[in-house]
Amino acid sequence: TQLLEQSPQFLSIQEGENLTVYCNSSSVFSSLQWYRQEPGEGPVLLVTVVTGGEVKKLKRLTFQFGDARKDSSLHITAAQTGDTGLYLCAGFTGGGNKLTFGTGTQLKVEL
Amino acid sequence: ETGVTQTPRHLVMGMTNKKSLKCEQHLGHNAMYWYKQSAKKPLELMFVYSLEERVENNSVPSRFSPECPNSSHLFLHLHTLQPEDSALYLCASSLRWGTAGYTFGSGTRLTVV
Repeated sequence: TQLLEQSPQFLSIQEGENLTVYCNSSSVFSSLQWYRQEPGEGPVLLVTVVTGGEVKKLKRLTFQFGDARKDSSLHITAAQTGDTGLYLCAGFTGGGNKLTFGTGTQLKVEL
Repeated sequence: ETGVTQTPRHLVMGMTNKKSLKCEQHLGHNAMYWYKQSAKKPLELMFVYSLEERVENNSVPSRFSPECPNSSHLFLHLHTLQPEDSALYLCASSLRWGTAGYTFGSGTRLTVV
């Protein structure tokens, strides 16, 4: 079973702060996705990265795929209360069809 | 309706009850999935249907029985559940099995008493 470890598990910060969430594995992924899940809702896709070293930006969110395609990071600049939620990474291992989800990072942004 | 719709949103059932969860999508997706989300555990894939055929059963107990009558609808039939089956059950769809970009429903919060 492939395992995607996310860190930190929990993060509580003040509005305006910056933060980085990490997603690590010993396996190589053909692509990796990040989702955000709000309480009482299903995960919502934020981004998909496919190329080693790829960087994608979505407003204040910056996503990076590691050069070896084994890890990824999500950086949020000037966090807002609306960023609160569970952040999940998920990836397909090379040649496989099964999407494996990470352990999740619960982010709370307070005023 | 857009996206993936799951009903009911909440369900409380006894261990001897039979109930069904419903999932519907009109996105033109050919793959549909059932996931289980429990506290402090990663999302667990339960079943995958591709073009209405079950292509993966991830060692799920037989008290969970999926059904995919057409490409837009997916059911999860529940029978003789245990309290440890209490969780959020999420349905998702994607264009094809193995392609990135899943669309999830809001889930059914199941409590087994």
